[in-house]
Amino acid sequence: DQQVKQNSPSLSVQEGRISILNCDYTNSMFDYFLWYKKYPAEGPTFLISISSIKDKNEDGRFTVFLNKSAKHLSLHIVPSQPGDSAVYFCAASVSSGGSNYKLTFGKGTLLTVNP
Amino acid sequence: NAGVTQTPKFRILKIGQSMTLQCTQDMNHNYMYWYRQDPGMGLKLIYYSVGAGITDKGEVPNGYNVSRSTTEDFPLRLELAAPSQTSVYFCASSYSGLRQDGYTFGSGTRLTVV
Repeated sequence: DQQVKQNSPSLSVQEGRISILNCDYTNSMFDYFLWYKKYPAEGPTFLISISSIKDKNEDGRFTVFLNKSAKHLSLHIVPSQPGDSAVYFCAASVSSGGSNYKLTFGKGTLLTVNP
Repeated sequence: NAGVTQTPKFRILKIGQSMTLQCTQDMNHNYMYWYRQDPGMGLKLIYYSVGAGITDKGEVPNGYNVSRSTTEDFPLRLELAAPSQTSVYFCASSYSGLRQDGYTFGSGTRLTVV
């Protein structure tokens, strides 16, 4: 049972355009969401996060939107740059006893930004 | 700071052999995790630890063992390696509870069982 779903295995965009990566989840108890970026032969690195009490969080070129009613979140990258080419993982967590620490990951989306 | 260090980076094992994947962090994080990533799949939690002396099973613990004798180290032991354990293994750590920056990951160990 896949609780965090990234239904697009890959996405290709032109440099300078917007990249939109999508993520759906099934567990309504998830209340904290993160995006990680992974280059080949490296570990994932944290990109941006959002709490369920918000519907948007922005950090420079990266914005995450959360639609709780649809159990959907998306990562927008504007403008996209060739260095953004990587695998992007969506992850989610449930607060338990005030401490949320276990992450459930999606399968990832390979983003390719073409010059 | 080194962050999370994993060794070795690559290893080929024969079926039935055993090995220990090493993981060390220097950030004084209480929480440590082992994940595996199979091709085309997301990361699946094998074991985790919320502090020295405390470990618990994750989603896919069978065939693995862990120990946490110090805050810094969280080794993962494979006994009787099987081809199904061919994967990339990531160790991660986090502050007590999830802060907004989530986990810090190591660079991974690529294991092939033949």
